Amino acid sequence: GENVEQHPSTLSVQEGDSAVIKCTYSDSASNYFPWYKQELGKRPQLIIDIRSNVGEKKDQRIAVTLNKTAKHFSLHITETQPEDSAVYFCAASLGQGAQKLVFGQGTRLTINP
Amino acid sequence: GAVVSQHPSWVICKSGTSVKIECRSLDFQATTMFWYRQFPKQSLMLMATSNEGSKATYEQGVEKDKFLINHASLTLSTLTVTSAHPEDSSFYICSAMRGGPQPQHFGDGTRLSIL
Repeated sequence: GENVEQHPSTLSVQEGDSAVIKCTYSDSASNYFPWYKQELGKRPQLIIDIRSNVGEKKDQRIAVTLNKTAKHFSLHITETQPEDSAVYFCAASLGQGAQKLVFGQGTRLTINP
Repeated sequence: GAVVSQHPSWVICKSGTSVKIECRSLDFQATTMFWYRQFPKQSLMLMATSNEGSKATYEQGVEKDKFLINHASLTLSTLTVTSAHPEDSSFYICSAMRGGPQPQHFGDGTRLSIL
């Protein structure tokens, strides 16, 4: 089955700097890759997603890149702000057209003022 | 759009009690709903997939008789934790989607504490 590895587990950056979180997946048939942000005690919120027919997607300060050959995808946050502090989860669909998602272990991002 | 409501948000009950958690998609029809369990500082662990009008599909290691799932309509799925024990204490979160592969939209979660 699908396995998603996420790194780093914790990340601390200075406000205004960029943050990068990386994930790898094992199932070459996976074709949908969302990223979620979860604040303490709250619901995971979708912040950006990408499909396998696209290599990069950007939404303001957030971007995601996908390398299908290497089976890895990354989240990039630029000009970080204190409110970006949260746990971020990557996920990959379980096979092509699948409904289920397999989540990475999560990255606790801390933005230092 | 894509609002998912989950109730209750917090439950404390005695060991042996059964607890029902509701998950509703408020502004869309959810062909599929998912139930996750999340331990502190850990990732989301999928428990089961719920499709409207059919039996839920449980992940390996999840007891179907312990965690009863009903998806009676395109906007409502329920999870009942039967005869709950302290080891069932956890954060349970549902999600809903229109079809696959589409974004899953999460409820606020239910913090279950069994005394």
